Amino acid sequence: SQTIHQWPATLVQPVGSPLSLECTVEGTSNPNLYWYRQAAGRGLQLLFYSVGIGQISSEVPQNLSASRPQDRQFILSSKKLLLSDSGFYLCAWSLSGQGSVLPQHFGDGTRLSIL
Amino acid sequence: GEDVEQSLFLSVREGDSSVINCTYTDSSSTYLYWYKQEPGAGLQLLTYIFSNMDMKQDQRLTVLLNKKDKHLSLRIADTQTGDSAIYFCAERAGGSYIPTFGRGTSLIVHP
Repeated sequence: SQTIHQWPATLVQPVGSPLSLECTVEGTSNPNLYWYRQAAGRGLQLLFYSVGIGQISSEVPQNLSASRPQDRQFILSSKKLLLSDSGFYLCAWSLSGQGSVLPQHFGDGTRLSIL
Repeated sequence: GEDVEQSLFLSVREGDSSVINCTYTDSSSTYLYWYKQEPGAGLQLLTYIFSNMDMKQDQRLTVLLNKKDKHLSLRIADTQTGDSAIYFCAERAGGSYIPTFGRGTSLIVHP
């Protein structure tokens, strides 16, 4: 069966410091991968998605970047964190191909607090 | 563009049925999903339905789809305190990688 791992679970960082959040998926090949941010208002904001190695689509301009160095690894990064980067970050995967049901499956999330 | 609307809160008594409603605007929506999020956790896929279906039942969960009104509902029978969570409705058009999520309905179950 497929599993998704996201770490760390919580992170406290000072303003201006770098960021690296990791997400890995096991049990499937060539998944679609997604990074979301969930603010206090509960809505999900799609940040990035990837349909293959090295293919990253950005949904909103921001202080963050994403990379996919391996098939089942998705990394969210920042060179200098802002206070506004605080939030709950969720990684998700879905089966590749547009013709299937494609529900997304989510990791447990990373709570990021910027001081 | 696509939009998915949900009421923000629902309070029910333990043992009663809960009905969480969702409306969407994209007429090409092909797949519709319900997710549950417990505090501090990720979203858990509960169930999904194709737009060519009217109803889907899975144990205590019943999903009803009214395509004409673009209305989706999730009924939870015999609601328990463990059902307290935020429930998200999401839709995805065929051919799209990206679903659109509602803002979530906070279900509060009291004794």
